Amino acid sequence: EAQVTQNPRYLITVTGKKLTVTCSQNMNHEYMSWYRQDPGLGLRQIYYSMNVEVTDKGDVPEGYKVSRKEKRNFPLILESPSPNQTSLYFCASRGRVSYEQYFGPGTRLTVT
Amino acid sequence: GQNIDQPTEMTATEGAIVQINCTYQTSGFNGLFWYQQHAGEAPTFLSYNVLDGLEEKGRFSSFLSRSKGYSYLLLKELQMKDSASYLCAVRDGDSSYKLIFGSGTRLLVRP
Repeated sequence: EAQVTQNPRYLITVTGKKLTVTCSQNMNHEYMSWYRQDPGLGLRQIYYSMNVEVTDKGDVPEGYKVSRKEKRNFPLILESPSPNQTSLYFCASRGRVSYEQYFGPGTRLTVT
Repeated sequence: GQNIDQPTEMTATEGAIVQINCTYQTSGFNGLFWYQQHAGEAPTFLSYNVLDGLEEKGRFSSFLSRSKGYSYLLLKELQMKDSASYLCAVRDGDSSYKLIFGSGTRLLVRP
């Protein structure tokens, strides 16, 4: 089954404790992206990647890091999480030809 | 600056037609997307417009006017399951994968 998976689905952590949210897709897609979704603000793009070792900043990259060492994986790293990073995070991917973007199920992160 | 506007909420009756508008002001433009998002779930792709005009896909149609910076999503024969948020997103002109989303329109379909 074609899908985008994210782990964990729910995470509660404390300020300053480094964490990684994993994202994996099995569709051999070139493009992958991370978004955060907050009430009243909609989806905002954090980082995106157009292929292995090619990443670029979205609208809200501060406080986040990404890497794309393999085509299928695109982890999101929070080196020192802060409470303002409490949000719902979505990973997404699409192929080079189709414009249809597939989203993962989301990761709800709470930073206390 | 980048700005995408959609109404926050709309209500419609089962079986009716509803039009959800989206206006945008962005530094570049390379296409406009509509997504559907049910509460607690991930967004799912509905449509993509890059040229002016109407694209029809079953009960859903999407329209684009680039000169007016305007799009709408038309939902016909509304069903209860259409109650969801509808997200408008613009693809930035300088990048093939940078997307700017509006805040979304929450549609409630009543019996």
